[in-house]
Amino acid sequence: NAGVTQTPKFQVLKTGQSMTLQCAQDMNHEYMSWYRQDPGMGLRLIHYSVGAGITDQGEVPNGYNVSRSTTEDFPLRLLSAAPSQTSVYFCASTDRESYGYTFGSGTRLTVV
Amino acid sequence: AQSVTQLDSQVPVFEEAPVELRCNYSSSVSVYLFWYVQYPNQGLQLLLKYLSGSTLVKGINGFEAEFNKSQTSFHLRKPSVHISDTAEYFCAVSEGGSNYKLTFGKGTLLTVNP
Repeated sequence: NAGVTQTPKFQVLKTGQSMTLQCAQDMNHEYMSWYRQDPGMGLRLIHYSVGAGITDQGEVPNGYNVSRSTTEDFPLRLLSAAPSQTSVYFCASTDRESYGYTFGSGTRLTVV
Repeated sequence: AQSVTQLDSQVPVFEEAPVELRCNYSSSVSVYLFWYVQYPNQGLQLLLKYLSGSTLVKGINGFEAEFNKSQTSFHLRKPSVHISDTAEYFCAVSEGGSNYKLTFGKGTLLTVNP
């Protein structure tokens, strides 16, 4: 009964490095999203997907790429990390009947 | 475009007191409304949701919220809070039957003091 699993839980990157934040769900949910959470800003949508092979941009997509080759996985790629990308990243999933996202426990990313 | 305003960034209350966390939204179409709770160092958990029908919605942990279309509000209430309710609470909206694209408010930190 894993739900939404995010790895790693913590990461420190140097400016300019690239990395992939992993997200997997075992609930056969069609919809998956990535959010970033910054103090006093709430959660802001980075990218989302409504099914395998279909992705779209959210509110703050610059500097991030996503792909959805399977229903289960929705990785988030940072192309060239910048200090402004220091944040807590949440992956979430839902289906068309549930009307309420299930969130992962988050990845805390620091870019130095 | 939709937007959400949580009117209080912090709400301190004493244990067993009632609490109301205020949320207003802006949208040109029909909406679904949600409240989520985030305990320290955890992900978000769905408290309750309004999709249609009765404007008073009951959720987990004794919380309830009332949808007011004329005032475009969705305030969260609990008649008697516990220390364990200390957390950050987020109001969120999705537009026009869209289940997958949520816009969140900036959050309200509820601190329950003994």
